[in-house]
Amino acid sequence: GNSVTQMEGPVTLSEEAFLTINCTYTATGYPSLFWYVQYPGEGLQLLLKATKADDKGSNKGFEATYRKETTSFHLEKGSVQVSDSAVYFCALNEGRGSGSEKLVFGKGTKLTVNP
Amino acid sequence: DAGVTQSPTHLIKTRGQQVTLRCSPKSGHDTVSWYQQALGQGPQFIFQYYEEEERQRGNFPDRFSGHQFPNYSSELNVNALLLGDSALYLCASSGMGPLIEQFFGPGTRLTVL
Repeated sequence: GNSVTQMEGPVTLSEEAFLTINCTYTATGYPSLFWYVQYPGEGLQLLLKATKADDKGSNKGFEATYRKETTSFHLEKGSVQVSDSAVYFCALNEGRGSGSEKLVFGKGTKLTVNP
Repeated sequence: DAGVTQSPTHLIKTRGQQVTLRCSPKSGHDTVSWYQQALGQGPQFIFQYYEEEERQRGNFPDRFSGHQFPNYSSELNVNALLLGDSALYLCASSGMGPLIEQFFGPGTRLTVL
């Protein structure tokens, strides 16, 4: 079945440091890929998405590129802020009509940014 | 535009009891999915409802059941609660279009004692 593997945390960085959170996936079809963020005590918010190979999703300074050849969707940000402290989840689904429209999540990576 | 709403926010039950959680989807959305998020883990898919029918189900026992109403809102019912059912239960809604972008509610925190 489909699965997502992401970098184990926690990750602790200083403000303005560069962030990379690795994510790789296994899927039988051509999934859409997502990064969700969860702030303490809250639900999930969609951070960015990509629907096909070589697509780059971006939002709030975060970026991720859909790499079909390496089945990866790594999250990056050039300069993190304290307000970026949260848990980040990589996820996939196979799209409408695929017969499998659920989201499959990784285990999450907790990021703490210190001032 | 109201997003996805869930009730209650928190709930405490004892083993063996039954619980009902509620979800109202984002305006314009017709599909509701439920996820269970155990502490420190990623969300796990429970099931999805569309047109008042269960369209897809994850690897959860029959103690977990659901319902979707004509206004697209949904309920998640869990019978014979176990300690291991303690988790954050998330509802997500999605609409039409080729990309299934799911919008999540804030969740219901269930504690089973």
